[in-house]
Amino acid sequence: EDQVTQSPEALRLQEGESSSLNCSYTVSGLRGLFWYRQDPGKGPEFLFTLYSAGEEKEKERLKATLTKKESFLHITAPKPEDSATYLCAVNRAQKLVFGQGTRLTINP
Amino acid sequence: GAGVSQTPSNKVTEKGKYVELRCDPISGHTALYWYRQSLGQGPEFLIYFQGTGAADDSGLPNDRFFAVRPEGSVSTLKIQRTERGDSAVYLCASSKGAGGSYEQYFGPGTRLTVT
Repeated sequence: EDQVTQSPEALRLQEGESSSLNCSYTVSGLRGLFWYRQDPGKGPEFLFTLYSAGEEKEKERLKATLTKKESFLHITAPKPEDSATYLCAVNRAQKLVFGQGTRLTINP
Repeated sequence: GAGVSQTPSNKVTEKGKYVELRCDPISGHTALYWYRQSLGQGPEFLIYFQGTGAADDSGLPNDRFFAVRPEGSVSTLKIQRTERGDSAVYLCASSKGAGGSYEQYFGPGTRLTVT
């Protein structure tokens, strides 16, 4: 059965303190790994799609990487506005299977 | 352009009542998905449509849940005889097509509370 596990569940950082979020997955035949950002009371906002091991994508202070078993979301010099829950998901037969998310808080 | 919209944003209902949740996808998107999100959890798949037909309804928890998309655009999720365990945020998403190469774009959700 396809599974997605994210760690840590919650992470508090000081502004400017870089770190990484982890997404471990088990899926038969990866058809895409997705990262979303979710603010309280809102729907998930699409960030990245990765398809093959070794692929990397960047957007502002965020960089997503992919291996055969996990994906990392690296956050460089974060700002308070980066505070949100970050969700990863894998595509399984056209539907997304999500992890439980990492709740990130950036303190000024 | 306009994103996915959902109405109502909040719905409070009594146990045993019937509710309808509406989703307006992004114009031109042929695939539409419904997910349910409980507090502190990631969204869980319920059903998806490709055009007017339900291509996969394997995530619907039981026969009290039903969804339609009669004209291939707007979709309605219907819940009969609501139970307190149905309380959650119901999210709708749409994509240009079905498949891993198409990103799913989510609406703001409908928060359903069953009292």
